[in-house]
Amino acid sequence: SQELEQSPQSLIVQEGKNLTINCTSSKTLYGLYWYKQKYGEGLIFLMMLQKGGEEKSHEKITAKLDEKKQQSSLHITASQPSHAGIYLCGAPGLGAGGTSYGKLTFGQGTILTVHP
Amino acid sequence: GAGVSQSPSNKVTEKGKDVELRCDPISGHTALYWYRQSLGQGLEFLIYFQGNSAPDKSGLPSDRFSAERTGGSVSTLTIQRTQQEDSAVYLCASSPPGTSGAKNIQYFGAGTRLSVL
Repeated sequence: SQELEQSPQSLIVQEGKNLTINCTSSKTLYGLYWYKQKYGEGLIFLMMLQKGGEEKSHEKITAKLDEKKQQSSLHITASQPSHAGIYLCGAPGLGAGGTSYGKLTFGQGTILTVHP
Repeated sequence: GAGVSQSPSNKVTEKGKDVELRCDPISGHTALYWYRQSLGQGLEFLIYFQGNSAPDKSGLPSDRFSAERTGGSVSTLTIQRTQQEDSAVYLCASSPPGTSGAKNIQYFGAGTRLSVL
């Protein structure tokens, strides 16, 4: 079965600093999802990457997918307290015929704390 | 509603009791997923519905766990004879029709926090 390992497990930064979270898969990635979770809340969708080399940005968050390395990175520029939370990467499984039906395997999460 | 709705938000029960957790997906979403999130195990897949059928039940941890979906909409996850190790947050997600691309995005509810005493 596929396993996703995130690093670091936790991260404490000062407001305004840049940071990167990595997600490495034990198997080939057929897409990669990034979610954010705050305590007591569900997962909030951030970005989906489908192709090797793909890079997407939303506000100050950028995610990349390196298919060869079976890895994705999430980069936050000029962090703010509102960025604090748990960041989770998820990879879809494959159903019959090789199509993805979306069952997600998740990494263990990265806890981000941003000090004002 | 606008998003995935789960109820109750919190449930405290005694060991050995049965519990039912409800998920109301986003209108029009044909796929529905149940996950469990616990401190020791992280976020784990339980079961997947496409319409009313469940082609993948591989994540259900034991036969005490069952789920159904009726009318292609609301789903209920039932845990019989609850044990302390069942304590976790149970999350439901739904996604729109389609087999690839943006249609596979899963939208999550806020979860049900289950505590078994």
